Amino acid sequence: EAGVTQSPTHLIKTRGQQATLRCSPISGHTSVYWYQQALGLGLQFLLWYDEGEERNRGNFPPRFSGRQFPNYSSELNVNALELEDSALYLCASSYSGGASEQYFGPGTRLTVT
Amino acid sequence: RKEVEQDPGPFNVPEGATVAFNCTYSNSASQSFFWYRQDCRKEPKLLMSVYSSGNEDGRFTAQLNRASQYISLLIRDSKLSDSATYLCVVAGSDSNYQLIWGAGTKLIIKP
Repeated sequence: EAGVTQSPTHLIKTRGQQATLRCSPISGHTSVYWYQQALGLGLQFLLWYDEGEERNRGNFPPRFSGRQFPNYSSELNVNALELEDSALYLCASSYSGGASEQYFGPGTRLTVT
Repeated sequence: RKEVEQDPGPFNVPEGATVAFNCTYSNSASQSFFWYRQDCRKEPKLLMSVYSSGNEDGRFTAQLNRASQYISLLIRDSKLSDSATYLCVVAGSDSNYQLIWGAGTKLIIKP
């Protein structure tokens, strides 16, 4: 069974640009979560999508947004990139939302210069 | 007080030793508990779920103490490959209450 996939693996952008990150969940999983992990720090919850709806978002500015498609894949958009947005962005999926165990993709490493 | 607290470590442990670390949580209504491990610059991977009756998987044992609101992870006969950061994860009883992640405990197994 294929795991969670993310693309691209690495992304280099300049300050002020926009970044789009993509995630495909495990087959049968309807919930997708996005996390940010800056180097040496813990996971910071960004967004949770389930059945195409945004269920919850973390303490991040509105320039972090996303969506979930009918096939349950998801994309994360970050507008007006800032240097401090440089981090590993992890996507996870779960069979059902909320308190279910989550399975992670390998992440997208975003570098903002 | 943080919702989920872990000792950041690092715990430096000789190969073959037994090591244990705890994680405390603040929401007494929490119903689901997990341990994940994360290798350097990699994604977290589910290590084990923690059940009320405890859970054992090979050299790993997880326990839940609801009265004192903590979960523990015990690693026996530690291997060099056990070196990683161990993340404690807690969720509430509401299906909309998502997972809350601890900052992790770093474990270093020395030969």
